[in-house]
Amino acid sequence: GAVVSQHPSRVICKSGTSVKIECRSLDFQATTMFWYRQFPKQSLMLMATSNEGSKATYEQGVEKDKFLINHASLTLSTLTVTSAHPEDSSFYICSARWGREFNEQFFGPGTRLTVL
Amino acid sequence: GQNIDQPTEMTATEGAIVQINCTYQTSGFNGLFWYQQHAGEAPTFLSYNVLDGLEEKGRFSSFLSRSKGYSYLLLKELQMKDSASYLCAVNNAGNMLTFGGGTRLMVKP
Repeated sequence: GAVVSQHPSRVICKSGTSVKIECRSLDFQATTMFWYRQFPKQSLMLMATSNEGSKATYEQGVEKDKFLINHASLTLSTLTVTSAHPEDSSFYICSARWGREFNEQFFGPGTRLTVL
Repeated sequence: GQNIDQPTEMTATEGAIVQINCTYQTSGFNGLFWYQQHAGEAPTFLSYNVLDGLEEKGRFSSFLSRSKGYSYLLLKELQMKDSASYLCAVNNAGNMLTFGGGTRLMVKP
């Protein structure tokens, strides 16, 4: 199956700093990438959808100025958490899909962010 | 709106069979997925149903009834490694996935 990687797998940062998380599709071109957030013992919550070459679409309640998403190429999307605070500590998971029509989303391994 | 319900936790015995239910009310329906997620890891794909009926894949089977807004995941011959969270997710009319809260399954010896 298709492989999606994320980097870094874990990051610890100080409050007020910015953190960038990369999501790459390794063996296919991802027209659409999704960013999810998962708090402990909870399910995945969609944060935003990004299509290559266009602005990301954010879900209700997700601040676009705080969570900057760039989908510059068909194999790379980045999520930058700006001015991170302890409440932003979470598990961030990306997924990628190769078409705009239905097909399966392939998930990355996730990034554990801890903000001190 | 979107509403996907599944039990929060279940416990079963090694070697037994367990059924995890999922009911949904979503704006549009374009298939239902089941994922397995171990703690601290990303979800892994288990099954996909878009038509009514049972899909069997080894020890795992998934059932869908679109008219009832209902699905279940059936796990047979449970193994200790099956202890994980099981996520029901509906692909809605906009081809977006909405996840249920997940069911944490504990398999005991």
